[in-house]
Amino acid sequence: QTVVTQEPSVTVSPGGTVTLTCTSSTGAVTSAYYPNWFQQKPGQPPRSLIYGTTNKHSWTPARFSGSLLGGKAALTVSGVQPEDEADYYCLLYYGGAAGMFGGGTKLTVL
Amino acid sequence: QVQLVQSGAEVKMPGASVKVSCKASGYTFTAYYIHWVRQAPGQGLEWMGWINPNDGDTNYAQKFQGWVTMTRDPSLNTVYMELGRLTYDDTAVYYCVRDTAPAGRWDFDYWGQGTLVTVPS
Repeated sequence: QTVVTQEPSVTVSPGGTVTLTCTSSTGAVTSAYYPNWFQQKPGQPPRSLIYGTTNKHSWTPARFSGSLLGGKAALTVSGVQPEDEADYYCLLYYGGAAGMFGGGTKLTVL
Repeated sequence: QVQLVQSGAEVKMPGASVKVSCKASGYTFTAYYIHWVRQAPGQGLEWMGWINPNDGDTNYAQKFQGWVTMTRDPSLNTVYMELGRLTYDDTAVYYCVRDTAPAGRWDFDYWGQGTLVTVPS
């Protein structure tokens, strides 16, 4: 049973920088997993932030960036704003037309 | 502008089935796959499967095989997700989401607003 793991919760100060990670139980995450990242605020549908590891949508704020870091997919927020407080989910593509979400990270801005 | 508009909330008895619709607008309906994702109360996101609106081809997560059916009606620019044999554990918000990637990868962008399906215990 494949498992995608994220930090359950992370706290960051306003203006700070934070990196959230996404790991796969199958081994190192590479660009072939085409990681996607999503932001979800209470009572709202998820909002897509990053696709294909590093690519941003037209609406993605510049302070958000995606990368690979030490065998993990990573989402970095530079210059965190209070409105960035939300749940963040990664999605990995495993081929064979299957994919899996991570359990999500609750980001608190304090 | 691209929009995915889903049908309204449903309450279903255990053992029944539910059919949720997702109407697309603002782009060529047959050009991009649609995935379905669900979220139980207070829980994370769970991928259910996808449908190719062009030819109706589908692929379901192993957990949902034999249990979920995804269909489409190109004349209405609408895709459907039907889940049968509902139990309390199927209480969740169900989302449709567009995937603009070519085959062999996933690039999610626009999401529907979500449809709450409630199955009383």
